[in-house]
Amino acid sequence: EIVLTQSPATLSLSPGERATLSCRASQSVSSFLAWYQQKPGQAPRLLIYDTSIRATGIPARFSGSGSGTDFTLTISSLEPEDFAVYYCQQRSNWPPGSTFGPGTKVDIK
Amino acid sequence: QVQMQQSGPGLVQPSQTLSLTCAISGDSVSRNSVGWTWIRQSPSRGLEWLGRTYYRSKWYQDYAVSMRGRITINADTSKNQFSLHLTSVTPEDTAVYFCARDLGLDLLYFDYWGQGTLVTVSS
Repeated sequence: EIVLTQSPATLSLSPGERATLSCRASQSVSSFLAWYQQKPGQAPRLLIYDTSIRATGIPARFSGSGSGTDFTLTISSLEPEDFAVYYCQQRSNWPPGSTFGPGTKVDIK
Repeated sequence: QVQMQQSGPGLVQPSQTLSLTCAISGDSVSRNSVGWTWIRQSPSRGLEWLGRTYYRSKWYQDYAVSMRGRITINADTSKNQFSLHLTSVTPEDTAVYFCARDLGLDLLYFDYWGQGTLVTVSS
C-alpha cells in the first residue's frame, strides 16, 4: 500500500499570505494525486486532481504541482474561507484503490 | 446538481453488521463511466477508502485489501442508491462514513459526497 505523508502538520498564516503544502508518497504515483479541503463537520471538497487540474468551480489561487513522489499544493493568497484542513490522495489502477495523507491544517496566525 | 443522501443507524453492536445506504439524485447509479464509493474517517485512521461499485455493462466491485472478506457494496437501480455492508464490526470500525461519486473514466477522485454518518460500534 502506498503511504502518503504531509508536511507541515500545521501551517499558521495570515490572510493574503501564500501557503505551500507538501505531500510525499512512499513510491511513485506518477501524476495520480489529488488535493481536498475539509472544514469541520463537512465532507472533503475536491480541489485539484491528476496533480494540477483544478476541479470545477475551484478558484485560480489554488494550484498543484509535482510528479512521482513529491507534490505541492499552493494557495497564492489566502482568503478567510481557505483556513481548513487539506488532504492529498493518490489513486492506483492496479489493484484499484486509493489512500489519503494525514492532512495539513492551515490556521489563522 | 448531484446530491447524495446517506441513511443508516448511528450505533452498531460489536460483531454485528454495519449497513448504510446512499440515495442519489441528479445522476444514475447505473450510469456507465462513474463509480460509487464508500470512504470513512476516524481520528486514529484518517480518511480511508473502503471500496466502490460501478456499472460497465455489468456490475463490478473493488474493495480495499484491508476490508476484503468483511465488506460488500451493492447497488439498487430501482431506488437509485447503493449500500455498504460491513460485517463483524469492532470498536475500531467507529468512524464517520461517507459515500461519494468519482469523476468517471476510472478517475478515482471524488467530486460529490454524502453528508457523512457517524457510526459508533459499542455495546
